Amino acid sequence: GAVVSQHPSRVICKSGTSVKIECRSLDFQATTMFWYRQFPKKSLMLMATSNEGSKATYEQGVEKDKFLINHASLTLSTLTVTSAHPEDSSFYICSARKTSGAYNEQFFGPGTRLTVL
Amino acid sequence: AQSVTQPDIHITVSEGASLELRCNYSYGATPYLFWYVQSPGQGLQLLLKYFSGDTLVQGIKGFEAEFKRSQSSFNLRKPSVHWSDAAEYFCAVERSNDYKLSFGAGTTVTVRA
Repeated sequence: GAVVSQHPSRVICKSGTSVKIECRSLDFQATTMFWYRQFPKKSLMLMATSNEGSKATYEQGVEKDKFLINHASLTLSTLTVTSAHPEDSSFYICSARKTSGAYNEQFFGPGTRLTVL
Repeated sequence: AQSVTQPDIHITVSEGASLELRCNYSYGATPYLFWYVQSPGQGLQLLLKYFSGDTLVQGIKGFEAEFKRSQSSFNLRKPSVHWSDAAEYFCAVERSNDYKLSFGAGTTVTVRA
């Protein structure tokens, strides 16, 4: 199979603190991972593309200094929400792209619920 | 730029009845199309995907989808829904040059007994 995990699954933090979310591909290597944000009852919005060994590329309107992404290995990407504020509260989902056969499929993690008080 | 439209925000269907979820896409090249399902508070599970070839694709959980290039559509169907099919369903199109997915707004499916 192709399993992607996220840790933590749920986090509550105080305003002004930073929170790190990990995304791991457990049984495959992923040179590319993606980070999405999902508001309640809304669709997924792509935030950034994380490439192993290089800088992440951010979608328009996403603050790269607010959402720090590091893809240090072929199985791990991290998203750090810096100086979090209540408006950063959301459901964050990562996906990892697996190379298999003729097509490279994305597999999604279970998501991390961030609540900023 | 690619985009996906799911015209139906919410669909209610009786258990055992058929289900069809609509998806229209806009993309200049040959699209890679996907349907995902999301249960509350969970990540996304791939139901099926279309790359090329047979325009009727079979997926998991008894779902199927038909790609119609002339209508720019990729509608999802299930002949007989189960209560466990109640969830949020997302259609997505992938951009071939950078693999970025664009999602539709989603359709919430409620199954009544």
